Amino acid sequence: GAVVSQHPSRVICKSGTSVKIECRSLDFQATTMFWYRQFPKQSLMLMATSNEGSKATYEQGVEKDKFLINHASLTLSTLTVTSAHPEDSSFYICSAKTAGNNSPLHFGNGTRLTVT
Amino acid sequence: KNQVEQSPQSLIILEGKNCTLQCNYTVSPFSNLRWYKQDTGRGPVSLTIMTFSENTKSNGRYTATLDADTKQSSLHITASQLSDSASYICVVSPYSGGYQKVTFGTGTKLQVIP
Repeated sequence: GAVVSQHPSRVICKSGTSVKIECRSLDFQATTMFWYRQFPKQSLMLMATSNEGSKATYEQGVEKDKFLINHASLTLSTLTVTSAHPEDSSFYICSAKTAGNNSPLHFGNGTRLTVT
Repeated sequence: KNQVEQSPQSLIILEGKNCTLQCNYTVSPFSNLRWYKQDTGRGPVSLTIMTFSENTKSNGRYTATLDADTKQSSLHITASQLSDSASYICVVSPYSGGYQKVTFGTGTKLQVIP
């Protein structure tokens, strides 16, 4: 089946530094990738949608200059948390899909970010 | 505003018992509905996907039903196992031509105890 690899699974960084999270579709071409944030005991909150070769579309309230998304190819999207603060600590998950309304979302295993 | 509500919020059942999780949605027009299982600290994994014309879909011990008229779906788990302990998320997709934006339910946290 379709596999989405997300890396790293865990990262600890200091305040003020930047962290890059990668999301790769291993055996299919992902025309669209999504980035989510998940707080404890809550469901996924969509942060942004990225289509290969175009700028990401950010959800209301998500700072695009803080959460930089790059979808450079059909198999790779990256999320960079810039100038991280402790309140950015969270679980970040990506998902990817092929074209078509009924194509399923395939999720990565998430990245636990801790900002100290 | 598109919404997906799930119930119960949490559930504890004995190993071997059956259970049913509910999902009500207001997404319209509707394209498809999916159930996902999310283990703690992991990404969601797809269990079933149904379009508006499908009433039921099974995946092993998981059976999902859909009533597009009442905008309700259920996920039935039979002969529960300890490994079924997870959060179950209902995800509904609107039909919007080329662009698709899903709505996530808040999830049901299931705990199966021996």
